[in-house]
Amino acid sequence: AQSVAQPEDQVNVAEGNPLTVKCTYSVSGNPYLFWYVQYPNRGLQFLLKYITGDNLVKGSYGFEAEFNKSQTSFHLKKPSALVSDSALYFCAVRDISAGGFKTIFGAGTRLFVKA
Amino acid sequence: NAGVMQNPRHLVRRRGQEARLRCSPMKGHSHVYWYRQLPEEGLKFMVYLQKENIIDESGMPKERFSAEFPKEGPSILRIQQVVRGDSAAYFCASSPPGEFSSDTQYFGPGTRLTVL
Repeated sequence: AQSVAQPEDQVNVAEGNPLTVKCTYSVSGNPYLFWYVQYPNRGLQFLLKYITGDNLVKGSYGFEAEFNKSQTSFHLKKPSALVSDSALYFCAVRDISAGGFKTIFGAGTRLFVKA
Repeated sequence: NAGVMQNPRHLVRRRGQEARLRCSPMKGHSHVYWYRQLPEEGLKFMVYLQKENIIDESGMPKERFSAEFPKEGPSILRIQQVVRGDSAAYFCASSPPGEFSSDTQYFGPGTRLTVL
C-alpha cells in the first residue's frame, strides 16, 4: 500500500535562512510525487511535482524538491525563506502502477518563518 | 479561466439533516476528486469521478455518503443524516482528461461543514 510520511509537525526558520520540509514515501511501483501549500481557510495550491527525469524539481515561489529513490524521499527546499512562506505544506504520492489516480497526502508540516 | 469553484463555502447543519456540497471543476477538466480534511490533519481521499461515472469510491464511508458528477452541472457530494463527526472541510479537485496519472490536481477553496 502507498503511504506518505512527513516526520515533522512543525518547522521553524528565520527569514533569510534556508528551509527544508521533509517527506518520505512508500509505494510498490514508481511514484509520482507532489508538494502543495495551504494557507489558512484556503484550498491547496500546487507547488511542484516529480514525474520523471531530473531528480531536482523546481516549482513555484522559489521552492524546489529533490527526488531520492534510494532514500524514498522528496524533501522540499528553499534557499532563503520569507515570512510569507509561513503555511501548511503537504507532500503527496500517486502510485502509477496501482491505477494512478488515487493520491495519498501526508499529514502536513506547518512552517513558521520568523522575521 | 476560473479555478475550481465550491459552494457553499460554509455550511451548518443539525444532526440528522442532509448536506449537499457542490463543485464546479475548471473549464475543460473532466476528472473530479473529493477529499475530507479534519482539523490539523491531512487530506483523505474520498472519491474520484469522471463525467457520469464513479471511478473509485474506496475512500467513501459505506453509508450516508454519495457522490455524482452528471453530464451537465457540478459534481455533488451528498451526506445524509449528518452526525457531528462529519464536521470537516471538504475539498474538491479537478484535473484535465487524458494521461491523468501525472496530472496536477487543482483544488477548490473547500466547504467547511459544521454539524451542530
